[in-house]
Amino acid sequence: NAGVTQTPKFQVLKTGQSMTLQCAQDMNHEYMSWYRQDPGMGLRLIHYSVGAGITDQGEVPNGYNVSRSTTEDFPLRLLSAAPSQTSVYFCAIRAGSKTGELFFGEGSRLTVL
Amino acid sequence: QQQVKQSPQSLIVQKGGISIINCAYENTAFDYFPWYQQFPGKGPALLIAIRPDVSEKKEGRFTISFNKSAKQFSLHIMDSQPGDSATYFCAASMLTGANNLFFGTGTRLTVIP
Repeated sequence: NAGVTQTPKFQVLKTGQSMTLQCAQDMNHEYMSWYRQDPGMGLRLIHYSVGAGITDQGEVPNGYNVSRSTTEDFPLRLLSAAPSQTSVYFCAIRAGSKTGELFFGEGSRLTVL
Repeated sequence: QQQVKQSPQSLIVQKGGISIINCAYENTAFDYFPWYQQFPGKGPALLIAIRPDVSEKKEGRFTISFNKSAKQFSLHIMDSQPGDSATYFCAASMLTGANNLFFGTGTRLTVIP
């Protein structure tokens, strides 16, 4: 998984609860991103960051918050979980600005009841 | 709105056969077209990628064919093996700016012995 660590691997929440998915890298890469994977929808970009202190929205940002206070960490926050946020979440990093290759973590499976 | 359209959703191929997955895009600014392979319980991993200045790229049994005028590209897996059974995603990005990857909806390939 190219040095991308996601925690937790599994989580069950009740509607309205909040939680944070953690993503950490150990390779000092600037670009980090969060995707969600849903059946029949592929992978959709939630938020991304091109460096510490810089974040921006992707295709499906509603209901999610991110911050990037350090190069290593890029947490994804669900402020008030909804059943529509039941999904598998992947953190991905990119090794360099001139390559398009993303390295993904192993995913966090979230169920919202 | 899906920026990259992918078909078929699922594909069953006999061992030794050819697997073909197709993708289409609209944004002519895209200049990087990768394919990712994902096994159950794992994050996607880069399989092969192409830039629009070539019409074909081959790596072992895997070939990307690219048609710039039609805005289509496809993955061909020759001599398909049971170990190729996985979900395949096409994607596209612009190798400038944030260089975010936009993914297709995925194709679940099953290769039967």
